[in-house]
Amino acid sequence: GAVVSQHPSRVICKSGTSVKIECRSLDFQATTMFWYRQFPKKSLMLMATSNEGSKATYEQGVEKDKFLINHASLTLSTLTVTSAHPEDSSFYICSARDHAKSSYNEQFFGPGTRLTVL
Amino acid sequence: QKEVEQDPGPLSVPEGAIVSLNCTYSNSAFQYFMWYRQYSRKGPELLMYTYSSGNKEDGRFTAQVDKSSKYISLFIRDSQPSDSATYLCAMSRAGNNRKLIWGLGTSLAVNP
Repeated sequence: GAVVSQHPSRVICKSGTSVKIECRSLDFQATTMFWYRQFPKKSLMLMATSNEGSKATYEQGVEKDKFLINHASLTLSTLTVTSAHPEDSSFYICSARDHAKSSYNEQFFGPGTRLTVL
Repeated sequence: QKEVEQDPGPLSVPEGAIVSLNCTYSNSAFQYFMWYRQYSRKGPELLMYTYSSGNKEDGRFTAQVDKSSKYISLFIRDSQPSDSATYLCAMSRAGNNRKLIWGLGTSLAVNP
C-alpha cells in the first residue's frame, strides 16, 4: 500500500518551454501532497505544500508564478515549471500523506522526475 | 545551527557489519521521527517511523529516539550490499500536516 507515482520520470526540454509533472497516489487518498527539489548529493528541499481544493503554500524563496501547483483531486497533484531555464534542471520529487492515517506525518514518495533544461 | 544535523559520510562497511546511523536535532518540539532510504536517482522510501521516545524494531532495522539528548539512531544488522543507499532522517512537530525537517542524508556503502 501507499504507492505514489510520478510522470514523466525524465524530461528534456528547451529553455523557455513549460513542463508539467504529475503526482498520483495510487492506492490511498491524499489531502496533502508535497513537492520537493533535490540537487545532486544534497538533501530534499521543500518547495510547496499542496492541499486538495485550495491554493498551495510555497516555501520562502520559491516563485509561485514559476512553479504552478494544482491539486484538483484527492489522488492527483501537478507541478508546472513555466518558462524553464537551465538553472531549473533538477530532480523533482513529490510525496503524499495518507488521509486515512491522520495521526502520523510520514510521507510517501514518488520515484522522482529528472528535468533537464537545455 | 541547522535544526537537524546528519553526517553525510560516506560510510563504508563490510557485508554483515552492524551499521549505526545518527541524527541530532535542536527543536525539542519534534515528536515524529522517520528514517528514509534513497537509492540513486529514486525517490525516498520510508523505512521506520517512531513517535516520541523509545525503540522500534522491524526485521534487521532498529530505530531509537532519545528525546532527552535530542538524538536519533538507525541500526542495521547483518548489513547487505543491497543496503547501499543514502539514509535520510526526518522529523516533525505534532499536529497534522506539519512539514518534515530533513537531515542531509548519510551515504552508506556495504561491500561484499
